Amino acid sequence: AQSVTQPDIHITVSEGASLELRCNYSYGATPYLFWYVQSPGQGLQLLLKYFSGDTLVQGIKGFEAEFKRSQSSFNLRKPSVHWSDAAEYFCAVGGADSWGKFQFGAGTQVVVTP
Amino acid sequence: NAGVTQTPKFQVLKTGQSMTLQCAQDMNHEYMSWYRQDPGMGLRLIHYSVGAGITDQGEVPNGYNVSRSTTEDFPLRLLSAAPSQTSVYFCASSWKMNTEAFFGQGTRLTVV
Repeated sequence: AQSVTQPDIHITVSEGASLELRCNYSYGATPYLFWYVQSPGQGLQLLLKYFSGDTLVQGIKGFEAEFKRSQSSFNLRKPSVHWSDAAEYFCAVGGADSWGKFQFGAGTQVVVTP
Repeated sequence: NAGVTQTPKFQVLKTGQSMTLQCAQDMNHEYMSWYRQDPGMGLRLIHYSVGAGITDQGEVPNGYNVSRSTTEDFPLRLLSAAPSQTSVYFCASSWKMNTEAFFGQGTRLTVV
């Protein structure tokens, strides 16, 4: 069975500081991995995705994520956070046999302080 | 290009009432799904469809029905609303198996 763990429920970061959000997954085959962002009252927007190839993936809004198969992780990073990055972030996993279904983590709420 | 459109955006129901949440996509996506979002639990899959006429249950299907008569539409029916169904509901679609999902803006449902 597939599962996703986001160990940090809530993170507070200062504007301009770096940000790293953790994601660990469990999946029996080759995983397809995603990070989504949700602003208050909005739907989910895709930040980046990993299917195969280069394990360092670049996304929108200056985010990147690194796939580490040995650690079953797909952590999201941003070198310098902006106030507009305050949102909830979700990691999700799917796979070739998942038929369009995705397993989501519980989410990490990011608060940005001045 | 509207993407994924959900209606209504907000709804209040009384216990025992039924209603249908509408979802339509204009991207000709084969795969569509419904999720519910509850605090601290992320998104959980209710039902999904891999094409017109084909649907299947997800993680939390009880109390919900779906059908997919066209590629574009994937309505979610609450048969007899219960307070436990108070949640935010998201419809999503994807082009093919395991490309990224595109999400609607959500429907906030309160059952009293």
